[in-house]
Amino acid sequence: GESVGLHLPTLSVQEGDNSIINCAYSNSASDYFIWYKQESGKGPQFIIDIRSNMDKRQGQRVTVLLNKTVKHLSLQIAATQPGDSAVYFCAENTGTASKLTFGTGTRLQVTL
Amino acid sequence: GAGVSQSPRYKVAKRGQDVALRCDPISGHVSLFWYQQALGQGPEFLTYFQNEAQLDKSGLPSDRFFAERPEGSVSTLKIQRTQQEDSAVYLCASSSQPSRAGDTGELFFGEGSRLTVL
Repeated sequence: GESVGLHLPTLSVQEGDNSIINCAYSNSASDYFIWYKQESGKGPQFIIDIRSNMDKRQGQRVTVLLNKTVKHLSLQIAATQPGDSAVYFCAENTGTASKLTFGTGTRLQVTL
Repeated sequence: GAGVSQSPRYKVAKRGQDVALRCDPISGHVSLFWYQQALGQGPEFLTYFQNEAQLDKSGLPSDRFFAERPEGSVSTLKIQRTQQEDSAVYLCASSSQPSRAGDTGELFFGEGSRLTVL
């Protein structure tokens, strides 16, 4: 399949370890944030979202943290598995627009 | 299948040719988005439809790009007189709810149409 990113920042973690993927956003007016996972040759897949009135949200094996003071978002994946290998994008929505603005992405490589 | 379907998956065009990319959203989804993803980049918004109405086309890069969704289901993205810089993956996404301020709804993306302009 095609590569979604040849020169992306890469995070390598061992299977079973926890992963933390970071994202800085630029628009202080953004009030809705989403993490997407994109495997090679596929479209982005929703992982978890968070609104600006929250600073933490948990899902199954994933946690998103939002720090509005420094405009920083992170995705934590517990007990990382080989199937988690992909490119991860954060996306933000500003209240006036229907669109999402995506970050440049981070490639997660899970080693055995 | 039950997901968003896009065709063709791959398209090679000579510079100057017109292309048409098709998106079949999930049945019943009112919102439909087109995004452009260049190699090594995140998707960039092109346009948004709510049913048949094109409510936002602010991301279309030039007047060579045109999108339609005449019956509120299938959508077509047309690129006229293709240029090399148009080479990218074009992603379609749909959502069951209208997109509104601060809540786009969960977007379901198709696998994309990869356009290569020679």
